[in-house]
Amino acid sequence: DIQMTQSPSSLSASVGDRVTITCRASQSIGTYLNWYHQKPGKAPKLLIYAVSSLQSGVPSRFSGSGSGTDFTLTISSLQPEDFVVYYCQQSYSTPPTFGQGTKLDIK
Amino acid sequence: EVQLEESGGGLVQPGRSLRVSCAASGFTFNDYAMHWVRQAPGKGLEWVSRISWNSGLILYADSVKGRFTISRDNAKNSLYLQMNSLRPEDTAFYYCTKDRSAAGLYYFDSWGQGTLVTVSS
Repeated sequence: DIQMTQSPSSLSASVGDRVTITCRASQSIGTYLNWYHQKPGKAPKLLIYAVSSLQSGVPSRFSGSGSGTDFTLTISSLQPEDFVVYYCQQSYSTPPTFGQGTKLDIK
Repeated sequence: EVQLEESGGGLVQPGRSLRVSCAASGFTFNDYAMHWVRQAPGKGLEWVSRISWNSGLILYADSVKGRFTISRDNAKNSLYLQMNSLRPEDTAFYYCTKDRSAAGLYYFDSWGQGTLVTVSS
């Protein structure tokens, strides 16, 4: 199975900050990388698919980049609703696997 | 609007069986692959199983292979997960998720609210 490792596991920031979360795959996955966020007590929600394509309805302050084994999610200007947990996920091979999550909280 | 509503979770003893269901609406159900993804309380996400639009391709995680069976009824817009020989480590929220494609490309673009399955004596 492909292992997905996110860093950092937790991150403190302020409203208006620009933050970046990194995801590394244990082998090359091309551009088969997706990002989700999860609010407390809710289901995950797809933010970005295929590295950099924004899911419908997702604000443009979210962006993604990378290829091969190293990927990033950037939030350009944090809003109060962005302080949740973020997961990366590879869709390159079965089983699809997720990173362990990055918890973003308010500084 | 896509809606996925799981049901059927609950408390079950180790070794027993349980079936969870997912009612889908707001999209053409038989145009898309569907998945089950689970999340142990306070933990990360684990893919469980996938079924293509016509049930022709079914896959399972190694952790549930031989114990769980995924199925769908396109006439009823419903997805199912039959779970047998349940273990305490199967305790989790079980999410019904919609794929972006018919065959299944593992892009989970819609999720239900989840149903909690607790395996304990």
